[in-house]
Amino acid sequence: DAGITQSPRHKVTETGTPVTLRCHQTENHRYMYWYRQDPGHGLRLIHYSYGVKDTDKGEVSDGYSVSRSKTEDFLLTLESATSSQTSVYFCAIKGGERESSGANVLTFGAGSRLTVL
Amino acid sequence: KNQVEQSPQSLIILEGKNCTLQCNYTVSPFSNLRWYKQDTGRGPVSLTIMTFSENTKSNGRYTATLDADTKQSSLHITASQLSDSASYICVVRGLRGGGNKLTFGTGTQLKVEL
Repeated sequence: DAGITQSPRHKVTETGTPVTLRCHQTENHRYMYWYRQDPGHGLRLIHYSYGVKDTDKGEVSDGYSVSRSKTEDFLLTLESATSSQTSVYFCAIKGGERESSGANVLTFGAGSRLTVL
Repeated sequence: KNQVEQSPQSLIILEGKNCTLQCNYTVSPFSNLRWYKQDTGRGPVSLTIMTFSENTKSNGRYTATLDADTKQSSLHITASQLSDSASYICVVRGLRGGGNKLTFGTGTQLKVEL
């Protein structure tokens, strides 16, 4: 998936435990994103980063925090997981491919499926 | 509120047949519209991006159309193959708001059968 690796790919955890998902890219892109995908909803932006230590909230950021200490790694942390955070989480980068119009293509990782019991 | 609505929700067709997926949006002002293909258990992959000035764009057997006046787009798949079975997601990029300003549809689940 275009130099993006997400880990873990699958995780089952219990309510109240902390969880960290990792996104690693090998292509030195500046912008990185975390989305969640749930049935009946389009992909929704949780947090994004526009550089090392530069992050901002998306539309569904409550209960999540992120960190980016290196260009290649973007971490998503659930401080105290809840059942409503059961979802598939996708990391994405902007870049790596440009359309003929010049628009950057958003490239996604393979996803991390999280189940909170 | 910016919205992207796709229809149908799901579709089953026979291999070799054509099909058309619809996308209506309310995002305004509008920058571009994208179609992504998402195979089961994988991340979405870009098929095409269209700006407001483009009416039609093709990518192999996939042809996307855009009518910016009526805020509608369609994705036409010609001579379908089993490998076309996937979810097709319409994504619209607006010009206002924070983040990357993308609004995602919920997708059309396509199944191609023998």
